[in-house]
Amino acid sequence: TQLLEQSPQFLSIQEGENLTVYCNSSSVFSSLQWYRQEPGEGPVLLVTVVTGGEVKKLKRLTFQFGDARKDSSLHITAAQPGDTGLYLCAGAGATDSWGKLQFGAGTQVVVTP
Amino acid sequence: ETGVTQTPRHLVMGMTNKKSLKCEQHLGHNAMYWYKQSAKKPLELMFVYNFKEQTENNSVPSRFSPECPNSSHLFLHLHTLQPEDSALYLCASSQDPGTVNEKLFFGSGTQLSVL
Repeated sequence: TQLLEQSPQFLSIQEGENLTVYCNSSSVFSSLQWYRQEPGEGPVLLVTVVTGGEVKKLKRLTFQFGDARKDSSLHITAAQPGDTGLYLCAGAGATDSWGKLQFGAGTQVVVTP
Repeated sequence: ETGVTQTPRHLVMGMTNKKSLKCEQHLGHNAMYWYKQSAKKPLELMFVYNFKEQTENNSVPSRFSPECPNSSHLFLHLHTLQPEDSALYLCASSQDPGTVNEKLFFGSGTQLSVL
């Protein structure tokens, strides 16, 4: 069983501050995804990383895949209230994993004005 | 119009009731999924359908019964549920299951409370 542990579980910051959330596992993943889920809605895919050491940027969000493809981080610069949500990471264990994405429990981020 | 639509958004049912959750996707995807989301727990994959054929049943109790009449519609029939089944039930679809390009598109979910 591949387990993804996300930390911290909860993060509350002021608008304009930076934050980093982590997604760690003892298993290797062929790809890893980050989703954001807002209250009352389903998760929305933000990014997919597939190469060890890969860094992707999406406006103020920076995603990094660990060199060994076991962990990932999400860094938000100058957070805004619109960044509030539950951030989920999900890993695919094999190329034929077939919808069997392993999800972490998520990090709840609250950005206050 | 959202890509994946779930109804109802909220459902309260007794343990002896029978109800159904409905999901419809307007994205032309081939695969559809049911996930269960409980507070502070990872999303739990329940069922996967590809081209209307069930390809995954993740040891889900028989009181949950899925139905996929076509690639655009997915149902979850509920019968004799337990209070611990209370959760957010999410439907999702994807076009490239099992590949590195796989992207899940989720509905808004049905918040289920079992009394």
